[in-house]
Amino acid sequence: KAGVTQTPRYLIKTRGQQVTLSCSPISGHRSVSWYQQTPGQGLQFLFEYFSETQRNKGNFPGRFSGRQFSNSRSEMNVSTLELGDSALYLCASSFDRVIGELFFGEGSRLTVL
Amino acid sequence: GDSVTQMEGPVTLSEEAFLTINCTYTATGYPSLFWYVQYPGEGLQLLLKATKADDKGSNKGFEATYRKETTSFHLEKGSVQVSDSAVYFCALGRPQRYSTLTFGKGTMLLVSP
Repeated sequence: KAGVTQTPRYLIKTRGQQVTLSCSPISGHRSVSWYQQTPGQGLQFLFEYFSETQRNKGNFPGRFSGRQFSNSRSEMNVSTLELGDSALYLCASSFDRVIGELFFGEGSRLTVL
Repeated sequence: GDSVTQMEGPVTLSEEAFLTINCTYTATGYPSLFWYVQYPGEGLQLLLKATKADDKGSNKGFEATYRKETTSFHLEKGSVQVSDSAVYFCALGRPQRYSTLTFGKGTMLLVSP
């Protein structure tokens, strides 16, 4: 079956702009989570959605937001981009109530100039 | 709060050598522990997991045992292959926070023929 699909794969933005990243989970998965991966900080949890509701949130500023649609697809948005937002943003999907068994997409690589 | 510490890489080995990647954690209670692997240009994949003390997770020749007394979950493989070259992440998860994982910084493994 198809894996987790993230779009776009690569994008370049300038400071102050905003960006929206999209994630389509594996069919049947209703939980979607987002992670930021950087060389310095490693993998950091952003947020998790289940049934269109944010269930958990990491320690990121309010410029980072997300949502989930009724078909379980998810988007995350970063407003007022900063240079430090340059990262690989990974989306993962999973069955509900299964701890830690995540299926990751290949990520969206954001470069902020 | 929860934290995961991994040995820094890169770990450089010759094919058929024995592999150990150390992972220790700081957490209260009884977390679940995971190893994920990230091959170049790909998203993370779950390699193995253990959900309680003394559990041994295994997959593709890799093993790790959940040691509560030493708060460790070291990854081992008896004979590595060039195709095992990747970045390995140790992670910790909690009940009720299904998709929220705390990751270590990752350890790069390079295997030469």
